[in-house]
Amino acid sequence: AQKVTQAQTEISVVEKEDVTLDCVYETRDTTYYLFWYKQPPSGELVFLIRRNSFDEQNEISGRYSWNFQKSTSSFNFTITASQVVDSAVYFCAPLTPYGNNRLAFGKGNQVVVIP
Amino acid sequence: ETGVTQSPTHLIKTRGQQVTLRCSSQSGHNTVSWYQQALGQGPQFIFQYYREEENGRGNFPPRFSGLQFPNYSSELNVNALELDDSALYLCASSFGGDSGELFFGEGSRLTVL
Repeated sequence: AQKVTQAQTEISVVEKEDVTLDCVYETRDTTYYLFWYKQPPSGELVFLIRRNSFDEQNEISGRYSWNFQKSTSSFNFTITASQVVDSAVYFCAPLTPYGNNRLAFGKGNQVVVIP
Repeated sequence: ETGVTQSPTHLIKTRGQQVTLRCSSQSGHNTVSWYQQALGQGPQFIFQYYREEENGRGNFPPRFSGLQFPNYSSELNVNALELDDSALYLCASSFGGDSGELFFGEGSRLTVL
């Protein structure tokens, strides 16, 4: 079974500041995927990024970037120059191949961006 | 918007009653997954339907059941409602496989009194 720890329950930042969300996961699988999803107040979960466990290259996509370190089982996510629209709950989730898209969500990080 | 629609958006039931929640998947998607999200928690996988067959189930009792129709829309049924069933129920559609890229609806908020 997979487990996710997102220790920061709520994070408040002032608009234009950067915010980094920490994610530590547990899995017995050697090959897996990692995801970040965003849940705005409207309720629907929005796919943000996906990472394969065999590819530790860190990337930037617009204002989003991520730092994946397999050795420490961490998959951190950063929003640069935060905006009020970034206020949401962010979930980190691992997925096992052939796992029927059964994402194992953590409790999430509540991000509040103050104008 | 994801193209996934759920109904009803909110409903209130009492203990022991039964409820049916509905989901229309995004056009072209043949797989529907259901998740339960209690307040302050992450979503928990209930089950998945692929081409009208159950294709994986989480740790939920049999009183949680589902259906998928030929047009790939889906229903989640919960019998003998309990107070702990109060939650946001999320439907997600995808096109088979294990891409993990799910398209979620806005959910049905169920309150059990």
